[in-house]
Amino acid sequence: DAGVTQSPTHLIKTRGQHVTLRCSPISGHKSVSWYQQVLGQGPQFIFQYYEKEERGRGNFPDRFSARQFPNYSSELNVNALLLGDSALYLCASSLASGHRNTEAFFGQGTRLTVV
Amino acid sequence: SQELEQSPQSLIVQEGKNLTINCTSSKTLYGLYWYKQKYGEGLIFLMMLQKGGEEKSHEKITAKLDEKKQQSSLHITASQPSHAGIYLCGAEYLQGAQKLVFGQGTRLTINP
Repeated sequence: DAGVTQSPTHLIKTRGQHVTLRCSPISGHKSVSWYQQVLGQGPQFIFQYYEKEERGRGNFPDRFSARQFPNYSSELNVNALLLGDSALYLCASSLASGHRNTEAFFGQGTRLTVV
Repeated sequence: SQELEQSPQSLIVQEGKNLTINCTSSKTLYGLYWYKQKYGEGLIFLMMLQKGGEEKSHEKITAKLDEKKQQSSLHITASQPSHAGIYLCGAEYLQGAQKLVFGQGTRLTINP
């Protein structure tokens, strides 16, 4: 069984550019969440999507946006990149029925470097 | 996050020794997740605890959630080089929210 897959694995962008990161959840999972992990720290919650609707948003600026497609895959978009956006971006998927907690499984992440 | 504190921040143990990592929350947990991360890679799911007093084991790793649901411990018995990595606890404070608040991680080194 394929786990959570993210693409690309590595990315280098210049300040001011925009970037799109992609995530495919585990088959059957309808919830996708995005996290940012800066070196040396724990991941920080950015967004959660369930059944194509935004269900949660962390403390990130409006430059960050996301969406979920009918096949439950998801994209994270970041505009006007700053040096501080350099981080490992992690995607997690879960069954997330909305009424009970289920295990969240993470992908390998996309390493974004902004120069 | 100050909501969730892990200790110690780093740990060096000799192969074969037991060790414990703690995760303390400033408020009542709905759920507590433990993950392992190799440097720069994704998180590997270890265990999820929800009920006060719950204890789960997988191979040589045991995790417990205390009765008051504000602290969890991860215990590794007879540590091996394969246990080396960063251990992260993630807290869920709302039922079904799927928003995890993570500790800063514990870096575990196993010396031969």
